[in-house]
Amino acid sequence: GDSVTQMEGPVTLSEEAFLTINCTYTATGYPSLFWYVQYPGEGLQLLLKATKADDKGSNKGFEATYRKETTSFHLEKGSVQVSDSAVYFCALSDRSGGSNYKLTFGKGTLLTVNP
Amino acid sequence: GAGVSQSPSNKVTEKGKDVELRCDPISGHTALYWYRQSLGQGLEFLIYFQGNSAPDKSGLPSDRFSAERTGGSVSTLTIQRTQQEDSAVYLCASSPQTLNTGELFFGEGSRLTVL
Repeated sequence: GDSVTQMEGPVTLSEEAFLTINCTYTATGYPSLFWYVQYPGEGLQLLLKATKADDKGSNKGFEATYRKETTSFHLEKGSVQVSDSAVYFCALSDRSGGSNYKLTFGKGTLLTVNP
Repeated sequence: GAGVSQSPSNKVTEKGKDVELRCDPISGHTALYWYRQSLGQGLEFLIYFQGNSAPDKSGLPSDRFSAERTGGSVSTLTIQRTQQEDSAVYLCASSPQTLNTGELFFGEGSRLTVL
């Protein structure tokens, strides 16, 4: 079945540091890929998405590129801020199967950014 | 508010009791999802409703779990004879369409603690 594996946390960085959170996936078909973010005390919200190979999703300074050859969708940001402290979830929906409405999530990575 | 609303935000119950968790989706959203977020386990799909179609219940972990959606709007997740392993945050999400290109809008969750 479909699965998402993302790097274990927690990740602790200083402000303005470079961030990478690795995400790889397994899917039977051709999935859409997502990064969701959960800020403290809030619900999950979509951060960015990509629907086909080589697409780059971007939002709020974060980027991720859909790499079909390595089945990866790593999240990056060049300079993190304290306000980026949150839990980040990689997710996929497999459009080829009958359950293309489901999101399959990774376990989440807690990011803490210190001033 | 215009977001997904869940209640209660926190519920503490004794083992063996029944609990009901409520979700009020964004107005006009036809798709509604329940997920469970357990410590270190990421988000686990439970059930999906889309309009008047039969729900996808494939993620419900046991027959103690059930959910309904009345009038295509509010949904209730019921857990009967709660067990300690049911302790988790139960997340509801809604979407205006199937997930091919859309995103899920999550509520803040209902934290269930079974003593």
